[in-house]
Amino acid sequence: SAVISQKPSRDICQRGTSLTIQCQVDSQVTMMFWYRQQPGQSLTLIATANQGSEATYESGFVIDKFPISRPNLTFSTLTVSNMSPEDSSIYLCSVGGFSGELFFGEGSRLTVL
Amino acid sequence: GIQVEQSPPDLILQEGANSTLRCNFSDSVNNLQWFHQNPWGQLINLFYIPSGTKQNGRLSATTVATERYSLLYISSSQTTDSGVYFCAVSPLTQGGSEKLVFGKGTKLTVNP
Repeated sequence: SAVISQKPSRDICQRGTSLTIQCQVDSQVTMMFWYRQQPGQSLTLIATANQGSEATYESGFVIDKFPISRPNLTFSTLTVSNMSPEDSSIYLCSVGGFSGELFFGEGSRLTVL
Repeated sequence: GIQVEQSPPDLILQEGANSTLRCNFSDSVNNLQWFHQNPWGQLINLFYIPSGTKQNGRLSATTVATERYSLLYISSSQTTDSGVYFCAVSPLTQGGSEKLVFGKGTKLTVNP
């Protein structure tokens, strides 16, 4: 399984600011996925990030709010823009293994005041 | 889209008890995974089981793909088993197996 590292692990931010979350994988992967978990809720897919192309966003998520970069096959960033308290969530990065199984990073817990 | 229903939503056990968690899904899948989310929010892979039966220590899982359900068995539960258990699937119609749809989870509390 891949080793997935996320930074920051947690942060407290002010309303109206933006925060960039980094995801580093120890092996090259074609697709990386970003999920959101709001407090007490399940996980929801935000977008799929492919190297060299624009991310593909799921319904309800837009690039202006959650811009994603994928500069190479081992790294991706997710930015949460113009944050409001409703953006307080755990954001998780995910990659697939050779068998099709998905693995997750340890998550970035974001609190917006 | 595909619906994933987990039951029960909450479960409280005494240490040493056994339990069965269920996951029903509304369409054919090419990926099914069980995860345990610990109190710190970390998602731990338990099983990758689109069909068949697997066992790992005190845990085992069975997926009956033709009947669209999966079961997770926890035997001799321990306090460290506490947390939320998620079932997640990838619809067959989606093509790839890597975009997961999660159920709402079962919150398990194991008391000493």
